[in-house]
Amino acid sequence: EPEVTQTPSHQVTQMGQEVILRCVPISNHLYFYWYRQILGQKVEFLVSFYNNEISEKSEIFDDQFSVERPDGSNFTLKIRSTKLEDSAMYFCASSGVTGELFFGEGSRLTVL
Amino acid sequence: AQKITQTQPGMFVQEKEAVTLDCTYDTSDPSYGLFWYKQPSSGEMIFLIYQGSYDQQNATEGRYSLNFQKARKSANLVISASQLGDSAMYFCAMREGPSSGNTGKLIFGQGTTLQVKP
Repeated sequence: EPEVTQTPSHQVTQMGQEVILRCVPISNHLYFYWYRQILGQKVEFLVSFYNNEISEKSEIFDDQFSVERPDGSNFTLKIRSTKLEDSAMYFCASSGVTGELFFGEGSRLTVL
Repeated sequence: AQKITQTQPGMFVQEKEAVTLDCTYDTSDPSYGLFWYKQPSSGEMIFLIYQGSYDQQNATEGRYSLNFQKARKSANLVISASQLGDSAMYFCAMREGPSSGNTGKLIFGQGTTLQVKP
């Protein structure tokens, strides 16, 4: 069964460092998303991406965040200068024409 | 205003019994979709069931069914014959239709933690 894969599963970084989280969406999907879940809280939308550009972003997705799909398969989330409050689980998701959203297993980011 | 509300932070159910997890939503868009996801302690988000706003019948997937009451704007998840492996956090989510300028993103509720007792 096709699935969304994310790497790394867990990353520990120092405050102020840059982090790149990687995702491989399901191959025939066209819509890609990043979500964030701070421990014990609800899942929050960060950004959606379609046709090689951001189609919508939340107020959380400020200038320190960026996304790109450099090679047609990987979909990356970059955090330029991490803060303590960026510690969370980051989920990548993709959807196709049926509209169902499939999530990856998440990347847990810990900022020290 | 909350678009998705899950009023039960925690629920207990006896193994083999049925349980209903509540979800209410708020939208003015006539076209929307409602989703339920399961999040076990390992953290991944597992898709369970989907209901479209125009679907005439309640969605069912194995032991999961969605009690969709459109006029009341509720989309409760019913899990029949609970198993120990059902212990997890459950999230209700909504996606509004294209008329809202929506890009397909989901809006999640706060979640309900379900514990199944042996």
